[in-house]
Amino acid sequence: GAVVSQHPSRVICKSGTSVKIECRSLDFQATTMFWYRQFPKQSLMLMATSNEGSKATYEQGVEKDKFLINHASLTLSTLTVTSAHPEDSSFYICSARTGGPDTQYFGPGTRLTVL
Amino acid sequence: KNQVEQSPQSLIILEGKNCTLQCNYTVSPFSNLRWYKQDTGRGPVSLTIMTFSENTKSNGRYTATLDADTKQSSLHITASQLSDSASYICVVRSNSGYSTLTFGKGTMLLVSP
Repeated sequence: GAVVSQHPSRVICKSGTSVKIECRSLDFQATTMFWYRQFPKQSLMLMATSNEGSKATYEQGVEKDKFLINHASLTLSTLTVTSAHPEDSSFYICSARTGGPDTQYFGPGTRLTVL
Repeated sequence: KNQVEQSPQSLIILEGKNCTLQCNYTVSPFSNLRWYKQDTGRGPVSLTIMTFSENTKSNGRYTATLDADTKQSSLHITASQLSDSASYICVVRSNSGYSTLTFGKGTMLLVSP
């Protein structure tokens, strides 16, 4: 149980385009979903926290107009990287929480490459 | 500032050998500490979780220890296998109102035949 999926697993796009990444909790309802970014040989960095039906809370330094997060249902959250640039190339990982703080499960990640 | 430091940064061992990874943290107030295994290009998968009162916890060939006084943890891998090659990440949860996670940078383990 407690499976979190992400789609796509890999995406390559041209600079200036927008990319949408989906995060789904497959067998549970996620009250809260988190989006992380991980650069090579670095730790996961929390970008934003979203609760179903409400606006996401962004971490300091993360541009909310560039990284649009929608958490429209208890099983789906999307991250849209708008007007992507090469420096946005990274590994994006979502996680979903079903209840208490220790019920957080990670997705497999999405590798974004912006040319 | 909450921090999690892991050592070594990378490690190469022969298949069948044991190894120990270290994690030091300065997270306060402490809630729990998890070790995750992250395969290349994949999301982290939880191996163990330890609370303040727990000193040792095992999960198959993985054994984690926690010394809450010195704020140190270790992950011992016994009889390593090629599939153990991955990044091992120490994550400490703060028992603050936001219950934030602080991630270490991970130790990259390579098990060679």
